[in-house]
Amino acid sequence: QSVLTQPPSVSAAPGQKVTISCSGSSSNIENNYVSWFQHLPGTAPKLLIYDNNKRPSGIPDRFSASKSGTSATLGITGLQTGDEADYYCGTWDYSLTAVVFGGGTKLTVL
Amino acid sequence: QVQLVESGGGVVQPGRSLRLSCAASGFTFSGYTMHWVRQAPGKGLEWVAVISYDGINSYFADSVKGRFTISRDNSKNTLYLQINSLRAEDTAVYYCARVGRGALVTAITSVDFQHWGQGTLVTVSS
Repeated sequence: QSVLTQPPSVSAAPGQKVTISCSGSSSNIENNYVSWFQHLPGTAPKLLIYDNNKRPSGIPDRFSASKSGTSATLGITGLQTGDEADYYCGTWDYSLTAVVFGGGTKLTVL
Repeated sequence: QVQLVESGGGVVQPGRSLRLSCAASGFTFSGYTMHWVRQAPGKGLEWVAVISYDGINSYFADSVKGRFTISRDNSKNTLYLQINSLRAEDTAVYYCARVGRGALVTAITSVDFQHWGQGTLVTVSS
């Protein structure tokens, strides 16, 4: 049972848009920056978003994110088959004094 | 460029110990907070531990507290994870990760894990 709650899976057609939610609490999301990661099996995870909505250099603007209260959302537009991966949200939790991740969301591009 | 290379994984019997290493290059290692993250087979990412740039402060996931120790040798540009009393549930790929910004501009609580190693597999089995 993860501290942050994500849907186990989402799917959409190529070219479409998808959103992935991440629900937490006042001890984590509400009062800390949220990051989002993309993870393909057998590879190192990749940072997509940090500080709630900032993209590292090299991450296309098809990836965006927002945060409101105790929830955060990752959006991906113009879906490509190469976007099929597991996506994780993460943040610091002050009560646990620990980094917490969501359980991950598997994106399928149909 | 930033490079992180983990080593030290392998097949270990329950109850034994193991030390993982993460060799860093391409940046000023002593200026960055470092983390360990793991992924058990078929499971999601699980954060394990963090250590401050100077090695003074560290925090651990509840699941490993008291059994795992994180340390660093800034003179050798190397991060370590000492794992004691190994359990079957410690079986995982262990990644080291570096945050994107230096310790002078970001807190130890930052989770912008911009750089990751390729991981080292630890299998706990008798």
